[in-house]
Amino acid sequence: SQQGEEDPQALSIQEGGNATMNCSYKTSINNLQWYRQNSGRGLVHLILIRSNEREKHSGRLRVTLDTSKKSSSLLITASRAADTASYFCATDSNDYKLSFGAGTTVTVRA
Amino acid sequence: DAGVIQSPRHEVTEMGQEVTLRCKPISGHDYLFWYRQTMMRGLELLIYFNNNVPIDDSGMPEDRFSAKMPNASFSTLKIQPSEPRDSAVYFCASTQGETQYFGPGTRLLVL
Repeated sequence: SQQGEEDPQALSIQEGGNATMNCSYKTSINNLQWYRQNSGRGLVHLILIRSNEREKHSGRLRVTLDTSKKSSSLLITASRAADTASYFCATDSNDYKLSFGAGTTVTVRA
Repeated sequence: DAGVIQSPRHEVTEMGQEVTLRCKPISGHDYLFWYRQTMMRGLELLIYFNNNVPIDDSGMPEDRFSAKMPNASFSTLKIQPSEPRDSAVYFCASTQGETQYFGPGTRLLVL
């Protein structure tokens, strides 16, 4: 069953703009991860944030985690055409088993 | 390392036929996961192994599905007999920690 739910389902942004997507989950977690999937490819890990962290950065990515609200957000700054992809949040509650959300499809327009 | 390798990349078969999907995890990774992705149900975990031992197969849809991991460098997912509703992309992923590394997937179409 899917633990995380991403919002929005899809978004379209102008190249150079920022894209924000959110993830909500139901049960307590050890960590939350974000993955990217380009069309026709496997998922690629982007960033991991632990339950005791509130914010994390990696290049143009910024992730926040609010465990009191059971939610996380992923911000992509200065977007590029190569950022066009689906983005998934995944929660880890035990034994490295991940539960993935339905994903947010991001389209970056030139 | 070449990453997680899956074969075949595409498979078209007729209903009732046996289908075998193959996966070679990244060397040194002790966890292996099989997922199925469809538009309707998203990404579903089917089964996962730790040190070649199946840990949780609660996601396997029914007895038509079986998975094996005879050694640390090879796993198979078998569907027998296949049905049109099994059409999906099947991913294998491996890890030795918290981050999972996905293969390119096998796109299965059952006619």
